[in-house]
Amino acid sequence: GEDVEQSLFLSVREGDSSVINCTYTDSSSTYLYWYKQEPGAGLQLLTYIFSNMDMKQDQRLTVLLNKKDKHLSLRIADTQTGDSAIYFCAENLGYSTLTFGKGTMLLVSP
Amino acid sequence: DAGVTQSPTHLIKTRGQQVTLRCSPKSGHDTVSWYQQALGQGPQFIFQYYEEEERQRGNFPDRFSGHQFPNYSSELNVNALLLGDSALYLCASSLVSGGEAYGYTFGSGTRLTVV
Repeated sequence: GEDVEQSLFLSVREGDSSVINCTYTDSSSTYLYWYKQEPGAGLQLLTYIFSNMDMKQDQRLTVLLNKKDKHLSLRIADTQTGDSAIYFCAENLGYSTLTFGKGTMLLVSP
Repeated sequence: DAGVTQSPTHLIKTRGQQVTLRCSPKSGHDTVSWYQQALGQGPQFIFQYYEEEERQRGNFPDRFSGHQFPNYSSELNVNALLLGDSALYLCASSLVSGGEAYGYTFGSGTRLTVV
């Protein structure tokens, strides 16, 4: 199968860390991505990780990849209200087409 | 440097009609992919165009067709519209190198409502 699964909702307080989890099923995926979508907008690429990496850090964002369990996570440090959005995990399959999860809605309260 | 531009931004059509959506890729990109995002769902891959040919297709009926022009811009056509075709249609461009596409960049989408 080619299903990417994510929890649907996460609520955190401003200043806390947020962790969004994703599981994927295709071990041949070469890249795994995290996208952010704000209301009424398109998709903004946040970060990506190559399948031979375990971790990637980019400012407040940390991506962890567990290939054995096909588990991907996105940690946002010092979460701000502007981080409130829907976050999509996506895997890169043949010919660079992306398969997305249903998205995790992150709500950051002051 | 302009990113991916899509037009129109919003569109209302009646069941049974036909619609054409347009996409201009980011400068330097040669590949265009189209996705459908229904409300509350993740984007679903429709098809990808490279060198003016359909390179890959997702699980969508033949009512969905496309075209890529020599300047790399692309159109998505949907015939015999159904209520279920109401969605945000996203275009993404990329650059093919060594058989893989890099620099995936999405446009802001076209919101299609079928009534």
